[in-house]
Amino acid sequence: DAKTTQPNSMESNEEEPVHLPCNHSTISGTDYIHWYRQLPSQGPEYVIHGLTSNVNNRMASLAIAEDRKSSTLILHRATLRDAAVYYCILRDMGGSEKLVFGKGTKLTVNP
Amino acid sequence: GAVVSQHPSWVICKSGTSVKIECRSLDFQATTMFWYRQFPKQSLMLMATSNEGSKATYEQGVEKDKFLINHASLTLSTLTVTSAHPEDSSFYICSAGRTNSPLHFGNGTRLTVT
Repeated sequence: DAKTTQPNSMESNEEEPVHLPCNHSTISGTDYIHWYRQLPSQGPEYVIHGLTSNVNNRMASLAIAEDRKSSTLILHRATLRDAAVYYCILRDMGGSEKLVFGKGTKLTVNP
Repeated sequence: GAVVSQHPSWVICKSGTSVKIECRSLDFQATTMFWYRQFPKQSLMLMATSNEGSKATYEQGVEKDKFLINHASLTLSTLTVTSAHPEDSSFYICSAGRTNSPLHFGNGTRLTVT
């Protein structure tokens, strides 16, 4: 399974933008970049995913580097409810489609 | 959005007994379901992949005779922890999805074996 590298933790202030980086230098052509987040004592929640182009949805934006070896999840205005562990995962949509979680980034949002 | 229901949300059982956890996709038919376990302050570890009507595919190191998975329909998968021991105490999470779609996760089952 292709691996991703994320910082262990990041901090942000409420109502400020947050940029969560992810490196995936061994990404293959059929790997989609997925982001999920997990709040304490809950199952993960889907945030966003993309293949090559930048993506926007109501929760976040995903910026993908041109060579696809890195990506950035952007939360435009962090709220206290965005405090969670964010996982960047490569998902082979041409294969088993399973999600293999790394350690993720623990985001702390300060009021 | 899509909803995955997991039941029970928590269970306490005695050592040596078996526990069944249910995972249901409530508003869609899931072609595949996945089972994970998570220890405190750790990430999710994939245990197995379950496809409706076929045998589950277990990840390396996961005992298939201990963690029995049944995927009876496109909306229901069950995980049975057989002869549970205290080291099996963990947070078990299921997810469900369709081909080429994001996965949706249940809210997990906290198992405590005494």
